[in-house]
Amino acid sequence: NAGVTQTPKFQVLKTGQSMTLQCAQDMNHEYMSWYRQDPGMGLRLIHYSVGAGITDQGEVPNGYNVSRSTTEDFPLRLLSAAPSQTSVYFCASKRIRDLYGYTFGSGTRLTVV
Amino acid sequence: AQTVTQSQPEMSVQEAETVTLSCTYDTSENNYYLFWYKQPPSRQMILVIRQEAYKQQNATENRFSVNFQKAAKSFSLKISDSQLGDTAMYFCAFGGVETSGSRLTFGEGTQLTVNP
Repeated sequence: NAGVTQTPKFQVLKTGQSMTLQCAQDMNHEYMSWYRQDPGMGLRLIHYSVGAGITDQGEVPNGYNVSRSTTEDFPLRLLSAAPSQTSVYFCASKRIRDLYGYTFGSGTRLTVV
Repeated sequence: AQTVTQSQPEMSVQEAETVTLSCTYDTSENNYYLFWYKQPPSRQMILVIRQEAYKQQNATENRFSVNFQKAAKSFSLKISDSQLGDTAMYFCAFGGVETSGSRLTFGEGTQLTVNP
């Protein structure tokens, strides 16, 4: 049972480049979300989804796009990377009926130069 | 909106001793959950302990216990008999039931170092 798998684990981008951070879960979790972690700021919610075809914004959505075409996958897209998006990104998922039983991925460290 | 504050960016403790990490929060909700997560150098987010606001009894998980003061909006974590493996970043988090839609609001984190 793989849980929540994030790829890549590390990435360096140049300003203006685009990329997609991948998140996949094999637990049939309806709810999936993306957080970013910055020093001194904890984790902040970027986007979340309560099921296939449904997404919504979190606290810091600007500069990021998401889509949810399947229950298993929830990719996070950076269309034009900026140095301010240098961060560690976490994907987390759970069953809808379980209020806060989150399973976190191991994170992606992204550096934008 | 909810806020969570951890006022101790760094703490250290000697192995086998007891340490308490502080957390305060602000919310207008009456029903909610509070959490402590551990993040070791591996970056994995590990749930340490969970407290439901409507339960008066403080949660305990082995060496980890909380002091939940609802009126004061305080939620501290006590680690007894500290072990080297407890070295990690610890995050306090809030989860509302009424309006937050399962969103977690995290504090800034406290880096705990256990010294041999």
